[in-house]
Amino acid sequence: GDSVTQMEGPVTLSEEAFLTINCTYTATGYPSLFWYVQYPGEGLQLLLKATKADDKGSNKGFEATYRKETTSFHLEKGSVQVSDSAVYFCALSPIKAAGNKLTFGGGTRVLVKP
Amino acid sequence: ETGVTQSPTHLIKTRGQQVTLRCSSQSGHNTVSWYQQALGQGPQFIFQYYREEENGRGNFPPRFSGLQFPNYSSELNVNALELDDSALYLCASTFLQGMDVTGELFFGEGSRLTVL
Repeated sequence: GDSVTQMEGPVTLSEEAFLTINCTYTATGYPSLFWYVQYPGEGLQLLLKATKADDKGSNKGFEATYRKETTSFHLEKGSVQVSDSAVYFCALSPIKAAGNKLTFGGGTRVLVKP
Repeated sequence: ETGVTQSPTHLIKTRGQQVTLRCSSQSGHNTVSWYQQALGQGPQFIFQYYREEENGRGNFPPRFSGLQFPNYSSELNVNALELDDSALYLCASTFLQGMDVTGELFFGEGSRLTVL
């Protein structure tokens, strides 16, 4: 079945540091790929998405590129802020499926220190 | 625009009991999904409701059941609670049209269930 593997946290960084969270997936065909973020005390929010190979999703300074050849969707941000402290989830949605059944990775907690 | 709201936010049950969790979808959405998020793990898909019918189900036993109402709100029912059912239950809504699978899911803050 479909699966998503992401690097375990916690990841602790200083403000303005470069952030990378690795995500790889296993799925048949060409799934859509997502990054969701869960800020403390809030619900999951879509951060960015990509629906086909070589697409780059971007939002709030975060970027991720859909790499079919390596089945990866790594999340990057060039200069993190304290407000980026959150749990980040990589997820996929299978193509040609009725609805939005998302398969999530285990999440990566990121802590940015001033 | 009102977002996805869930109730109750926290509840405690004992093993063997039954629980009902409620979700009001975001205005304009016609589809509701439920996810179970165990502590320290990613959410797992339970099922989805579209036009008041179950439209996809994850690897959960039949004692997990649901309903969607004409106003697109939804309930998740869990019978014969087990200790492992302790988790955060997330509701998410979206607008689905046909086979579009790329619509954004909007999540509520969840209902935290503790089974003793």
